[in-house]
Amino acid sequence: ILNVEQSPQSLHVQEGDSTNFTCSFPSSNFYALHWYRWETAKSPEALFVMTLNGDEKKKGRISATLNTKEGYSYLYIKGSQPEDSATYLCAPRRADKLIFGTGTRLQVFP
Amino acid sequence: NAGVTQTPKFQVLKTGQSMTLQCAQDMNHNSMYWYRQDPGMGLRLIYYSASEGTTDKGEVPNGYNVSRLNKREFSLRLESAAPSQTSVYFCASSWTASNQPQHFGDGTRLSIL
Repeated sequence: ILNVEQSPQSLHVQEGDSTNFTCSFPSSNFYALHWYRWETAKSPEALFVMTLNGDEKKKGRISATLNTKEGYSYLYIKGSQPEDSATYLCAPRRADKLIFGTGTRLQVFP
Repeated sequence: NAGVTQTPKFQVLKTGQSMTLQCAQDMNHNSMYWYRQDPGMGLRLIYYSASEGTTDKGEVPNGYNVSRLNKREFSLRLESAAPSQTSVYFCASSWTASNQPQHFGDGTRLSIL
């Protein structure tokens, strides 16, 4: 079973703070790394899909980097806003399947 | 844009009852998935279908069956519901290539008494 670890489990920040969290996964047989944003009472929405070592993706204030050799990805949020409050899930792809971590729950206080 | 539609949204069953959760997507995706979400655990894959006519077991398939009825529809059946199957169930779909994201339905909250 692929062990996917996300840290921290939860994070509370003030509006305007920048923050980052980590996804660690075994680096063997790597296909792709997915990041999803999951707001309470909604369904997960895709943020990024990353496939290449050294890949960097950006969407507005959110960006992500990927290191496939050492098996980790970082997600950064610059100038957090209350609407960024959500659980952020990472999921490495192994063959046809995604293996989800338990997520980092972010709360941004005004 | 409907995307992925799951029915029902909520259901309460008694132990031993059977039930089918329905999922349909209108994005012409090849692959479809069923997950369950439990407190403190990540989304866990129950079954998936890489293409019409094929289904495969995921991480937690026991107690479930699936049918890929056509390219649009992928149903999940509980033959004899157990309290351990109380969970939120999500259906998802995607293109097959590894760099394509999955699109999720709104979930079905299932309670088994």
